[in-house]
Amino acid sequence: DIVMTQSPDSLAVSLGERATINCKSSQSVLYSSDNKNYLAWYLHKPGQPPKLLIYWASTRESGVPDRFSGSGSGTDFTLTISSLQAEDVAVYYCQQYYNTPRTFGQGTKVEIK
Amino acid sequence: QVQLQESGPGLVKPSETLSLTCTVSGGSISSYYWSWIRQPPGKGLEWIGYVYSSGSTNYNPSLKSRVTISVDTSKNQFSLKLTSVTAADTAVYYCARDGSGYTHWGQGTLVTVSS
Repeated sequence: DIVMTQSPDSLAVSLGERATINCKSSQSVLYSSDNKNYLAWYLHKPGQPPKLLIYWASTRESGVPDRFSGSGSGTDFTLTISSLQAEDVAVYYCQQYYNTPRTFGQGTKVEIK
Repeated sequence: QVQLQESGPGLVKPSETLSLTCTVSGGSISSYYWSWIRQPPGKGLEWIGYVYSSGSTNYNPSLKSRVTISVDTSKNQFSLKLTSVTAADTAVYYCARDGSGYTHWGQGTLVTVSS
């Protein structure tokens, strides 16, 4: 199984400030045949299903605000929220879809400082 | 707009079988992979497995001996069966469309295993 490890487990950021979440996979999720990273990011609020933010490591899902961006390749990835808004308080997960079993990071809780 | 909705009992007794169905509306179930994912209280997300519209399946090895996922294209539904449940199977169960990330999810249904 590919183990996904996120850091930090939680962070508190002031409104309007930048939030950065890291995700490391135990093996590369870069598929050589198409040069794509099979990595997605989700936002998860209590009582709701997770919401896809980013796929292919850096492609923003339709309708997702441009303050959310993804970067990285191979085994190391980052989700950045450029200017934190109150509605961004949530748990964030990375997930690999390079192979099965699909695996998720343990989650990073983002709060307002 | 594709929508997914889970249905099934919210309470299952230990050692019995958990059965859930996901109904897909607003689009065809054909030509996609459909997953079940769960989240135990206070824990993270765990992929259970998926089924393709043809009926082929792939399961998480950690649950493989107890899981069956099936599809009924005539009803635009897919289903989960998990046998010999214990308290550790208590979770919110989600159905979702598998692809380049999970773009569509059901609202989730809490299943509690308790006598």
